[in-house]
Amino acid sequence: IAGITQAPTSQILAAGRRMTLRCTQDMRHNAMYWYRQDLGLGLRLIHYSNTAGTTGKGEVPDGYSVSRANTDDFPLTLASAVPSQTSVYFCASSQGAEDTEAFFGQGTRLTVV
Amino acid sequence: GQNIDQPTEMTATEGAIVQINCTYQTSGFNGLFWYQQHAGEAPTFLSYNVLDGLEEKGRFSSFLSRSKGYSYLLLKELQMKDSASYLCAVKDSNYQLIWGAGTKLIIKP
Repeated sequence: IAGITQAPTSQILAAGRRMTLRCTQDMRHNAMYWYRQDLGLGLRLIHYSNTAGTTGKGEVPDGYSVSRANTDDFPLTLASAVPSQTSVYFCASSQGAEDTEAFFGQGTRLTVV
Repeated sequence: GQNIDQPTEMTATEGAIVQINCTYQTSGFNGLFWYQQHAGEAPTFLSYNVLDGLEEKGRFSSFLSRSKGYSYLLLKELQMKDSASYLCAVKDSNYQLIWGAGTKLIIKP
């Protein structure tokens, strides 16, 4: 069982370019999340989805969009990347929003230059 | 605003005991979580507290006092592999996790 998989593992991106970070889980979890992690700061929620077909904004949604067409996939798109979006991005999932444990992907290290 | 506070860094000796504290102020409370994160890796779940008291799981224990907005993670019989960051997080009234910045634990031989 793979669990939750992110792609790519790392990426260097020119400012202004569009980029989609992929996230796939095979645990049939209803809830999925995108976080960014920056040095000295806690994980910050970008967007979430409590079930397929629904999405919501987290703490830092500006400049990002998501879709949840099915249970397994939850891609995160940067429409026009800026250097402040340089970060490590983690996708996570849980059985439900009220569930006690979230499972994380291995992360995507994104550098915007 | 919502806030989770924990020390930035702690150092301990192999075989010893260390306590990592976490204080929180959040909009609602639906549980407190501790995660472990090794450098360059994803966070992994350690413990969950929703009621006051101590939860023990092997070498790790977690304590919660909701009236004080306080938790600690206790690690016993420290091993070198315990060198990692320990993240405290609280689920707020919307069931979203609010995260602390993490405590980097350095274990010395």
